[in-house]
Amino acid sequence: AQSVTQPDIHITVSEGASLELRCNYSYGATPYLFWYVQSPGQGLQLLLKYFSGDTLVQGIKGFEAEFKRSQSSFNLRKPSVHWSDAAEYFCAVASSLFTGGFKTIFGAGTRLFVKA
Amino acid sequence: GAVVSQHPSWVICKSGTSVKIECRSLDFQATTMFWYRQFPKQSLMLMATSNEGSKATYEQGVEKDKFLINHASLTLSTLTVTSAHPEDSSFYICSAPKTGGNTEAFFGQGTRLTVV
Repeated sequence: AQSVTQPDIHITVSEGASLELRCNYSYGATPYLFWYVQSPGQGLQLLLKYFSGDTLVQGIKGFEAEFKRSQSSFNLRKPSVHWSDAAEYFCAVASSLFTGGFKTIFGAGTRLFVKA
Repeated sequence: GAVVSQHPSWVICKSGTSVKIECRSLDFQATTMFWYRQFPKQSLMLMATSNEGSKATYEQGVEKDKFLINHASLTLSTLTVTSAHPEDSSFYICSAPKTGGNTEAFFGQGTRLTVV
């Protein structure tokens, strides 16, 4: 069965500093990988996704993630963090459904704190 | 783009009563929908898979008699929390992959349930 591990429960970075959030997955086949962001009390927003092809994926809000099959990782990065990036970030892996679309399993999440 | 509407966005109910949460795919058909529960400061845990025209599939540890799921049409799934108790207070989120589509699942905005 697929699973996702986010080893960091929370991370604090200074505004303007770079960010990397770690994600490791376990999946038997080619994984479909996602990063979502959730602000307090809000729903989920998709930042980016990897299905196939280029292993460096660009997303919204200046985020990118790199798929590394050899390390079973899909780490999220941003070169310069803004205070508005403070939120909960979830890495997710999905398995395809025969009807089309995906069943999504989430990691535990990493809470990002941004200090001035 | 594809939209999933979840209603209500928040609800407060008395202990022992039942609450129904609706999840609608607005502009696409969803043979399958998923229900997640998120406790404060925790990840989204998959509760059950809702299948149009057939019984839902529940994850281990989820009481099917307590969390009744009905997927009567290709655009609507409902989750009913029966005989709710304070420990059922949580954030419930549905998601719907587009049937026949090769995209990520789309998430509702979530329902904040508070049982008093």
